This record gives sequence, structure tokens and C-alpha cells, in this order.
Amino acid sequence: DIQVTQSPSSLSASVGDRVTITCRATQRISIYLNWYQQKPGKAPNLLIYDASSLQSGVPSRFSGSGSGTDFTLTISSLQPEDFATYYCQQSYSSPLTFGGGTRVEIK
Amino acid sequence: EVQLLESGGGLVQPGGSLRLSCAVSGFTFSSYAMNWVRQAPGKGLEWVSGISDSGGAKYYADSVKGRFTISRDNSKNTLYLQMNSLRGEDTAVYYCAKKTVGKTVAGTSGMDVWGQGTTATVSS
Repeated sequence: DIQVTQSPSSLSASVGDRVTITCRATQRISIYLNWYQQKPGKAPNLLIYDASSLQSGVPSRFSGSGSGTDFTLTISSLQPEDFATYYCQQSYSSPLTFGGGTRVEIK
Repeated sequence: EVQLLESGGGLVQPGGSLRLSCAVSGFTFSSYAMNWVRQAPGKGLEWVSGISDSGGAKYYADSVKGRFTISRDNSKNTLYLQMNSLRGEDTAVYYCAKKTVGKTVAGTSGMDVWGQGTTATVSS
């Protein structure tokens, strides 16, 4: 099974900061890596699919990059509504797997 | 409006069973692969199971293989998860989720539409 490891597990940042979250897969997964945002008590929301494609309706301050085993989610200028937990997920092969999550908190 | 509505959660004793349902509307259900994803209290997301558009291909996480069965009824626009031999570690909010693009569980795209979740609690 393919495992995906996110780092960091949590971070503190201020409004306007540039934030970067990384995800590493245990084997090459091409571009089949997706990113989600989840707020407390809510279902996850798809932000980026296939490593770098912005999901419809998602603000352009979110971007993704990478291929193979190493991937990055970047928030160019953190906004108050971006404080949440972020998950990566590989869709290269079953079983699909999620990273452990990165909690983005207010500094 | 695209909508997924889960039901069937509840309190069950260890070793018991639950059947979750996910009623969908607003899109052509039979054209998309579907998934179940769960989240234990205070924990991260865990993919549980997925099914292709036709129902011909089914996949499971190792943690539920042999105990859970995914199915779908395309004539009723409904996804199911039969959960047997339940354990305490199965306690979670269970979400159904639609694949953004594609008829297969794996491959391109993520999961773009999610239900609100239904809670299964396994406890004596």
C-alpha cells in the first residue's frame, strides 16, 4: 500500500503569511495527489486535484505542485478563513490513502 | 444542486451491524465512482471503501476488508455500506464522497462532493 506523509503536522501563521505544506508518498504516484481543507464539524473540501489543478470555486491563493513522490500545497497569502486542517490524498492506486493532516493555526 | 445525504448511523454493540446509505441528487449517479471515508473522533481522514460507476469493481481498506461491503443501486441513486462485526475502532463519522471525474476509484481527480456525514458509535 502507498503511504503519504504530511509535514508539518501543525503550524502557526499570521494573516498575510505564505504557507507551505508538503506531502511525500512512499512510491511514485505520478500526479495523482489531491489536497483538501477541513474545518471543525464540516466535511472536507477539495482544493487541488492531480497535484496542481485548482478545483472550481477555490481561491487562486491556493496552489499545488509536484510529481512522483514529493508534493507541495502553498497558500500565497493566508486569510482568516484559511485557518483549518489540510489533508493530502493519493489517488494513484487502491487503497486510497490520506496524509495525517496539517493543522494551520493563528499565530 | 448536487447533494449527498447519508443515513443509517447510530449506536451499536461490538460485534453488531449497521447499514449506511447515501442518497444522491443533482448529478448522474451512474457515471461516477463513489467512496466512503471516515473520521474517528479527534483523528484524521481514513478512506474506507470505493466502488466503480457500474458497481463491478469494489475496493476496501485493510482495516475493514472482510467485514464491510460497499454496494450501489444506480436505479435508486443510492450508495450503501454494510458494516458487520463492528469494533470500537470503527466509531467514526462516515462520509460518502463523489469522485470528481471518472468511473474508476483510482486515477485522475479527487472527491469533489461530500455528504454531511453520519455517526456510527460502537460501544457496549
